[in-house]
Amino acid sequence: AQSVTQPDIHITVSEGASLELRCNYSYGATPYLFWYVQSPGQGLQLLLKYFSGDTLVQGIKGFEAEFKRSQSSFNLRKPSVHWSDAAEYFCAVGPYSGSARQLTFGSGTQLTVLP
Amino acid sequence: ETGVTQSPTHLIKTRGQQVTLRCSSQSGHNTVSWYQQALGQGPQFIFQYYREEENGRGNFPPRFSGLQFPNYSSELNVNALELDDSALYLCASSSQDREQAFFGQGTRLTVV
Repeated sequence: AQSVTQPDIHITVSEGASLELRCNYSYGATPYLFWYVQSPGQGLQLLLKYFSGDTLVQGIKGFEAEFKRSQSSFNLRKPSVHWSDAAEYFCAVGPYSGSARQLTFGSGTQLTVLP
Repeated sequence: ETGVTQSPTHLIKTRGQQVTLRCSSQSGHNTVSWYQQALGQGPQFIFQYYREEENGRGNFPPRFSGLQFPNYSSELNVNALELDDSALYLCASSSQDREQAFFGQGTRLTVV
């Protein structure tokens, strides 16, 4: 069975500091991996996705993620955090390249940004 | 603004009642997925509809059912509501499996 683990429930960083959110997955086949962000009262917005090829993926809002097959990880990074990045972040894995069908989500990491 | 709208935004139901949630897909999208997000958890896949047919289902009991209409809007119906059904229900639409899905803002259901 597929699963996603986000070990950090809550992370606090200062504005301008770098950020790394961890994600580990378990999946029987080649995974399609995603990072979503959810602001209060909002739905999920796709930050980036990985299917194959270059293991460093660039996304929107200055985010990037690195796929490491040997570690079953897909960590999200940002060099300099902005106050508007405060939100909840979800890592997800699925069998399909683009749609929202049968995605398995982690339990999320809540990001707080200090001024 | 994703173009995916859900209604209502909030509602309160009593245990044992039935509820219908609605999702209007983004223009041109023929695929809709539904997710349940309990408080403090990630979303869980309920089912997906493609061209009015269910084509994928998660680990949810039959009292969770759905419909997709010719205009590709969709409904999620939950019968015999239980307290644990209290959650944020999200729908997502896409044009096909290889295209990015866009999520609505969700319906917050509270069962008392």
